[in-house]
Amino acid sequence: AQTVTQSQPEMSVQEAETVTLSCTYDTSESDYYLFWYKQPPSRQMILVIRQEAYKQQNATENRFSVNFQKAAKSFSLKISDSQLGDAAMYFCAYRSVTGANSKLTFGKGITLSVRP
Amino acid sequence: EAGVVQSPRYKIIEKKQPVAFWCNPISGHNTLYWYLQNLGQGPELLIRYENEEAVDDSQLPKDRFSAERLKGVDSTLKIQPAELGDSAVYLCASSKATRDTQYFGPGTRLTVL
Repeated sequence: AQTVTQSQPEMSVQEAETVTLSCTYDTSESDYYLFWYKQPPSRQMILVIRQEAYKQQNATENRFSVNFQKAAKSFSLKISDSQLGDAAMYFCAYRSVTGANSKLTFGKGITLSVRP
Repeated sequence: EAGVVQSPRYKIIEKKQPVAFWCNPISGHNTLYWYLQNLGQGPELLIRYENEEAVDDSQLPKDRFSAERLKGVDSTLKIQPAELGDSAVYLCASSKATRDTQYFGPGTRLTVL
């Protein structure tokens, strides 16, 4: 079974600075998807970024980028130019490619606070 | 395009009472998921539907939980009877197909007293 580990329960960043959120995972599969979701206090889980394991290039979405290290099974999220609206819980998630197991496996999440 | 809609947003009930949650997925999304999110944890899958068929319900506690998606669109998740440990957020998500990105609704926060 796949597992996702987010070992940092909380992080804080100064507005306009850069912060990196860590995630590691364990799987025996060679192809899969990795995601970062953001969950603000409103509870709406919002997709931040998605990475396909067979792609070596790291995904980027505006101020958000990932550092995907497949051999190390590491998938960190970098937020540049942090904004107050980035404050939320961030979840790392894994999903198998095979249709029979399309459920998302989430980590425990990390609470990010942004200091003005 | 409207997102995933869930109701109610909040529900408080006494233990042993029944409760039901409703989800309307994004239009055209054939796959629907119900997740359970305990406080301070990531969501965990309860059940997945492909159209009206439940294709993965291995994590659904079938003694008290049931779900349906009769016409392959809206879905209802029911708990009967509710227990104190059922207090959590119940999230609904949908995707166009099994391998596509999942989009989540705002969730229903259930409190069982």
